[in-house]
Parts: sequence; structure tokens; C-alpha cells
Amino acid sequence: AAGVIQSPRHLIKEKRETATLKCYPIPRHDTVYWYQQGPGQDPQFLISFYEKMQSDKGSIPDRFSAQQFSDYHSELNMSSLELGDSALYFCASSLGGTSGSLYEQYFGPGTRLTVT
Amino acid sequence: GNSVTQMEGPVTLSEEAFLTINCTYTATGYPSLFWYVQYPGEGLQLLLKATKADDKGSNKGFEATYRKETTSFHLEKGSVQVSDSAVYFCALRNQAGTALIFGKGTTLSVSS
Repeated sequence: AAGVIQSPRHLIKEKRETATLKCYPIPRHDTVYWYQQGPGQDPQFLISFYEKMQSDKGSIPDRFSAQQFSDYHSELNMSSLELGDSALYFCASSLGGTSGSLYEQYFGPGTRLTVT
Repeated sequence: GNSVTQMEGPVTLSEEAFLTINCTYTATGYPSLFWYVQYPGEGLQLLLKATKADDKGSNKGFEATYRKETTSFHLEKGSVQVSDSAVYFCALRNQAGTALIFGKGTTLSVSS
């Protein structure tokens, strides 16, 4: 079965640079979620989109922005990168990601971002 | 606010031992509860879930029961294998939101 695709899988950037992470959800899934997992930490929710509209927002820094496109893929844009942004960034997808949705989230393999 | 508390690891067991990883939660209303597993270098995989009180989620020999009276969702397995070595995350999703809220994770190491 098709899974969530994330690209790139690994990314190395320098401080103050920008990065763009991409997420391709499972076919027919209309909801995308972004999570950040620091070294040895639990995943922290950043933001989600349902039908191309932002549906929920977590601890996403103002330096980050994201959007969902008409084909339902999503991009996370990160600017003015800091050392503390080094983490594993997961994308997840589901059906019908409105409040109270019972649909489960399927996670991609993650993009490992290293900021030097 | 909503939160998940897991027992700290690492948990080190011999093959065929019994496993329990404790998880308790704080949430408003009636959240859905999940266990995710993360193998080294990989993403998160849903292991099992329960959406209402007294539900039992089960998969691959793992079980967890949604206990509203004790706000718990402990993970159990009767006989662990070396291949079960991974990090296990308890998580909740409340009715008002869409995001998963994770515990800190528990590392399980099983030796033969």
C-alpha cells in the first residue's frame, strides 16, 4: 500500500539559511499534519491542513510557514534557521481531519534536518 | 491542558518476558488513545488504538485497555521478542483538536 512520502530524507543547512520540506500524503487523504521531534524527544505538533485550509496550529515558530496545495501535498518552509531547529520532521496524513475526527494518522519516514 | 505521562525507560527485558509500559493521561472530555512504535531510524507506526472507555486495542500480541476511571492506557505483551526493541509512544487526541499529543517515549530493549 502507498505510504506518506517525505522529501528530502536528509537535509543539512547552515544557520540563517532557509529550508523547504515536502510531504505527499497517502492517495485520497485530504489532511496533512506536521510534527517536529528533537533528539531524544517526543514529537511535537506544529500545524495541520484540511482541504487546503489550516485546521489546527501548535507550537510552530513564526519563522516557519506551511501550506497545502491543490493536489493535497504540503510544504513546510523554514527561514532564518537556528541550531535548535535540528530535528526529525514528520508529516502524517489522514482522511477528514476536522475536530473530533476518528480517522487515524499515518506517518511518513521523516526528514532529518541538521543545522550547522 | 492535555498531556500524556509515560514510565521512563529504558526498559530492558529478556526474550519471552512479560512487558508493561505504563501510560496515564490528562484530557478534557473523551480523548482517543494510541500507542505508536518507532524502530531505530524509522518513522512512527500506529501499534494500536482505543476510542472510548473500556475499549481494548490489540495488535501483534500487544494490548492496551482504555481505563477512564484511572485515566490510563497501559501497554502489555505477554512474551516479548528481540524484534520488539524500539521506542514506544503513548498518545492522545482529544475531541476538540486534530493533533496527537505524545508522551516522552519509552525505550524497550529485548535481549536473547
